[in-house]
Amino acid sequence: DIVMTQSPDSLAVSLGERATINCKSSQSVLYSFNNKNSLAWYQQKPRQPPKLLIYWASTRESGVPDRFSGSGSGTDFTLTITSLQAEDVAVYYCQQYYTTPYTFGQGTKLEIK
Amino acid sequence: EVQLLESGGGLVQPGGSLRLSCEASGFTFNTYAMSWVRQAPGKGLEWVSGIGNAGHNTFYTKSVKGRFTISRDSSKNTLYLQMNSLRAEDTAVYYCARNAESSGQFFFDYWGQGTLVTVSS
Repeated sequence: DIVMTQSPDSLAVSLGERATINCKSSQSVLYSFNNKNSLAWYQQKPRQPPKLLIYWASTRESGVPDRFSGSGSGTDFTLTITSLQAEDVAVYYCQQYYTTPYTFGQGTKLEIK
Repeated sequence: EVQLLESGGGLVQPGGSLRLSCEASGFTFNTYAMSWVRQAPGKGLEWVSGIGNAGHNTFYTKSVKGRFTISRDSSKNTLYLQMNSLRAEDTAVYYCARNAESSGQFFFDYWGQGTLVTVSS
Protein backbone atom coordinates (compact mmCIF):
# COMPACT_ATOMS: atom_id res chain seq x y z
CA ASP A 1 0.00 0.00 0.00
CA ILE A 2 1.12 3.59 -0.60
CA VAL A 3 1.67 5.34 2.72
CA MET A 4 0.84 9.06 2.84
CA THR A 5 2.55 11.14 5.52
CA GLN A 6 1.56 14.71 6.26
CA SER A 7 3.46 17.36 8.15
CA PRO A 8 2.92 19.03 10.47
CA ASP A 9 0.16 17.25 12.43
CA SER A 10 -1.14 20.64 13.53
CA LEU A 11 -0.54 24.22 12.57
CA ALA A 12 -1.54 27.61 13.97
CA VAL A 13 -1.43 30.59 11.62
CA SER A 14 -2.52 34.20 12.04
CA LEU A 15 -5.42 35.54 10.03
CA GLY A 16 -4.21 36.88 6.69
CA GLU A 17 -0.98 34.87 6.82
CA ARG A 18 0.09 31.87 4.75
CA ALA A 19 -0.41 28.24 5.78
CA THR A 20 1.62 25.44 4.24
CA ILE A 21 0.86 21.74 4.63
CA ASN A 22 3.14 19.03 3.28
CA CYS A 23 2.34 15.54 2.09
CA LYS A 24 4.77 12.79 1.18
CA SER A 25 3.91 9.50 -0.52
CA SER A 26 5.93 6.32 -0.03
CA GLN A 27 6.16 5.89 -3.80
CA SER A 28 5.62 8.06 -6.83
CA VAL A 29 2.01 8.80 -7.77
CA LEU A 30 2.90 10.22 -11.17
CA TYR A 31 0.38 8.80 -13.66
CA SER A 32 2.22 8.19 -16.90
CA PHE A 33 -0.94 8.27 -19.05
CA ASN A 34 -1.28 12.06 -18.66
CA ASN A 35 1.95 12.92 -16.80
CA LYS A 36 -0.03 14.23 -13.84
CA ASN A 37 0.14 13.31 -10.17
CA SER A 38 -2.79 11.33 -8.73
CA LEU A 39 -2.99 13.40 -5.55
CA ALA A 40 -6.01 15.14 -4.03
CA TRP A 41 -6.52 17.44 -1.06
CA TYR A 42 -9.65 17.56 1.10
CA GLN A 43 -10.87 19.93 3.79
CA GLN A 44 -12.94 18.64 6.69
CA LYS A 45 -14.63 21.06 9.06
CA PRO A 46 -15.99 19.84 12.42
CA ARG A 47 -19.07 17.63 12.13
CA GLN A 48 -18.99 17.80 8.33
CA PRO A 49 -17.93 15.37 5.60
CA PRO A 50 -14.72 16.05 3.70
CA LYS A 51 -14.81 18.47 0.80
CA LEU A 52 -12.66 18.14 -2.31
CA LEU A 53 -10.31 21.11 -2.76
CA ILE A 54 -7.62 20.04 -5.22
CA TYR A 55 -7.08 17.12 -7.61
CA TRP A 56 -4.25 16.18 -9.97
CA ALA A 57 -2.08 17.81 -7.27
CA SER A 58 -2.75 21.35 -8.48
CA THR A 59 -6.19 21.61 -10.12
CA ARG A 60 -8.66 23.51 -7.98
CA GLU A 61 -12.16 22.08 -7.76
CA SER A 62 -14.89 24.36 -9.05
CA GLY A 63 -15.97 26.90 -6.43
CA VAL A 64 -12.83 26.58 -4.28
CA PRO A 65 -11.33 30.01 -3.49
CA ASP A 66 -8.10 30.80 -5.30
CA ARG A 67 -6.26 31.29 -2.00
CA PHE A 68 -6.01 27.48 -2.00
CA SER A 69 -3.29 26.06 -4.22
CA GLY A 70 -1.54 22.73 -4.62
CA SER A 71 1.91 21.94 -5.90
CA GLY A 72 4.49 19.20 -6.06
CA SER A 73 5.30 16.10 -8.07
CA GLY A 74 6.38 12.51 -7.67
CA THR A 75 6.35 11.93 -3.92
CA ASP A 76 6.33 15.42 -2.39
CA PHE A 77 3.32 17.71 -2.38
CA THR A 78 2.19 20.94 -0.73
CA LEU A 79 -1.13 22.60 -0.02
CA THR A 80 -0.81 26.35 0.44
CA ILE A 81 -3.47 28.66 1.78
CA THR A 82 -2.55 32.28 1.22
CA SER A 83 -4.20 34.93 3.39
CA LEU A 84 -5.82 32.59 5.92
CA GLN A 85 -9.49 33.23 6.68
CA ALA A 86 -11.40 32.23 9.82
CA GLU A 87 -13.52 29.78 7.79
CA ASP A 88 -10.38 27.86 6.78
CA VAL A 89 -10.11 26.31 10.25
CA ALA A 90 -10.37 22.59 9.50
CA VAL A 91 -8.45 19.36 9.16
CA TYR A 92 -6.79 18.90 5.78
CA TYR A 93 -6.08 15.52 4.20
CA CYS A 94 -4.05 14.51 1.20
CA GLN A 95 -5.02 11.34 -0.68
CA GLN A 96 -3.43 9.31 -3.44
CA TYR A 97 -5.68 7.83 -6.10
CA TYR A 98 -2.88 6.29 -8.16
CA THR A 99 -3.77 2.78 -7.06
CA THR A 100 -6.09 0.91 -4.72
CA PRO A 101 -6.26 0.84 -1.80
CA TYR A 102 -6.67 4.60 -2.04
CA THR A 103 -4.89 6.02 0.98
CA PHE A 104 -5.05 9.26 2.96
CA GLY A 105 -2.57 11.14 5.03
CA GLN A 106 -3.22 11.28 8.78
CA GLY A 107 -4.53 14.83 8.55
CA THR A 108 -3.26 18.27 9.51
CA LYS A 109 -5.31 20.36 11.93
CA LEU A 110 -5.22 24.04 10.99
CA GLU A 111 -6.09 26.61 13.65
CA ILE A 112 -5.96 30.37 14.04
CA LYS A 113 -3.09 31.78 16.07
CA GLU B 1 -27.80 19.27 -6.88
CA VAL B 2 -25.85 16.13 -6.07
CA GLN B 3 -27.06 14.48 -2.87
CA LEU B 4 -25.90 11.31 -1.13
CA LEU B 5 -27.94 10.09 1.82
CA GLU B 6 -26.57 7.25 3.93
CA SER B 7 -28.65 5.12 6.27
CA GLY B 8 -28.48 1.82 8.12
CA GLY B 9 -25.92 2.60 10.79
CA GLY B 10 -26.40 1.68 14.42
CA LEU B 11 -25.18 -0.36 17.35
CA VAL B 12 -24.27 -3.98 16.64
CA GLN B 13 -22.51 -6.66 18.67
CA PRO B 14 -19.13 -8.04 17.64
CA GLY B 15 -19.62 -10.75 15.05
CA GLY B 16 -22.89 -9.22 13.91
CA SER B 17 -23.99 -7.84 10.54
CA LEU B 18 -25.29 -4.56 9.21
CA ARG B 19 -26.21 -3.25 5.75
CA LEU B 20 -25.57 0.36 4.89
CA SER B 21 -27.41 2.14 2.09
CA CYS B 22 -26.62 5.34 0.20
CA GLU B 23 -29.38 6.87 -1.88
CA ALA B 24 -28.06 9.10 -4.65
CA SER B 25 -29.82 11.93 -6.46
CA GLY B 26 -29.01 14.90 -8.66
CA PHE B 27 -26.81 12.98 -11.11
CA THR B 28 -26.91 9.97 -13.43
CA PHE B 29 -26.04 7.29 -10.89
CA ASN B 30 -25.14 4.52 -13.33
CA THR B 31 -22.41 6.60 -14.95
CA TYR B 32 -20.32 7.00 -11.80
CA ALA B 33 -18.16 4.66 -9.76
CA MET B 34 -18.82 4.93 -6.03
CA SER B 35 -16.94 4.30 -2.80
CA TRP B 36 -17.35 3.89 0.94
CA VAL B 37 -14.88 5.76 3.16
CA ARG B 38 -14.89 5.49 6.95
CA GLN B 39 -13.63 7.58 9.83
CA ALA B 40 -13.17 6.12 13.30
CA PRO B 41 -14.03 8.49 16.16
CA GLY B 42 -11.41 11.24 16.36
CA LYS B 43 -9.32 9.60 13.62
CA GLY B 44 -8.50 10.09 9.96
CA LEU B 45 -10.09 8.88 6.75
CA GLU B 46 -9.85 5.32 5.45
CA TRP B 47 -11.10 4.17 2.05
CA VAL B 48 -13.02 0.92 2.54
CA SER B 49 -14.42 -0.20 -0.79
CA GLY B 50 -15.25 0.91 -4.32
CA ILE B 51 -17.44 -0.28 -7.16
CA GLY B 52 -17.45 0.48 -10.88
CA ASN B 53 -20.31 2.30 -12.53
CA ALA B 54 -21.84 -0.91 -13.88
CA GLY B 55 -21.27 -2.87 -10.68
CA HIS B 56 -18.96 -5.45 -12.25
CA ASN B 57 -15.70 -4.32 -10.67
CA THR B 58 -15.34 -4.17 -6.91
CA PHE B 59 -12.39 -3.27 -4.71
CA TYR B 60 -11.72 -3.58 -0.98
CA THR B 61 -9.13 -2.60 1.54
CA LYS B 62 -7.40 -5.64 3.06
CA SER B 63 -8.95 -5.37 6.50
CA VAL B 64 -12.52 -5.82 5.22
CA LYS B 65 -11.98 -8.21 2.30
CA GLY B 66 -14.08 -11.34 2.81
CA ARG B 67 -16.27 -9.63 5.40
CA PHE B 68 -17.76 -6.64 3.53
CA THR B 69 -19.56 -6.66 0.18
CA ILE B 70 -20.23 -3.55 -1.89
CA SER B 71 -23.06 -3.52 -4.41
CA ARG B 72 -25.36 -1.13 -6.22
CA ASP B 73 -28.87 -1.04 -7.64
CA SER B 74 -29.19 1.42 -10.49
CA SER B 75 -32.97 1.03 -10.59
CA LYS B 76 -33.03 2.49 -7.06
CA ASN B 77 -30.03 4.83 -7.43
CA THR B 78 -28.65 3.19 -4.30
CA LEU B 79 -25.24 1.99 -3.16
CA TYR B 80 -24.92 -0.67 -0.47
CA LEU B 81 -22.33 -2.02 1.92
CA GLN B 82 -23.09 -5.37 3.52
CA MET B 83 -20.91 -5.73 6.60
CA ASN B 84 -20.54 -9.15 8.24
CA SER B 85 -18.38 -10.45 11.09
CA LEU B 86 -18.11 -6.96 12.48
CA ARG B 87 -15.29 -6.10 14.85
CA ALA B 88 -14.78 -3.30 17.36
CA GLU B 89 -12.24 -1.72 14.99
CA ASP B 90 -14.98 -1.30 12.36
CA THR B 91 -16.59 1.34 14.57
CA ALA B 92 -16.66 4.52 12.49
CA VAL B 93 -18.73 7.00 10.56
CA TYR B 94 -19.19 5.51 7.09
CA TYR B 95 -19.35 7.98 4.21
CA CYS B 96 -20.65 7.29 0.76
CA ALA B 97 -18.61 9.16 -1.88
CA ARG B 98 -19.04 9.70 -5.60
CA ASN B 99 -15.95 8.90 -7.64
CA ALA B 100 -15.07 11.59 -10.15
CA GLU B 101 -13.30 10.03 -13.12
CA SER B 102 -10.52 11.74 -14.97
CA SER B 103 -8.22 9.96 -17.42
CA GLY B 104 -9.16 6.64 -15.87
CA GLN B 105 -8.36 7.65 -12.32
CA PHE B 106 -10.86 8.29 -9.55
CA PHE B 107 -11.07 10.76 -6.68
CA PHE B 108 -14.01 11.72 -4.46
CA ASP B 109 -15.92 14.83 -5.51
CA TYR B 110 -19.12 14.50 -3.46
CA TRP B 111 -19.64 12.98 -0.01
CA GLY B 112 -22.68 12.13 2.04
CA GLN B 113 -23.13 13.20 5.65
CA GLY B 114 -22.22 9.76 6.93
CA THR B 115 -23.82 7.10 9.11
CA LEU B 116 -22.35 5.93 12.41
CA VAL B 117 -21.64 2.24 12.97
CA THR B 118 -20.79 1.20 16.52
CA VAL B 119 -19.60 -2.33 17.20
CA SER B 120 -19.79 -3.07 20.89
CA SER B 121 -21.18 -5.59 23.33
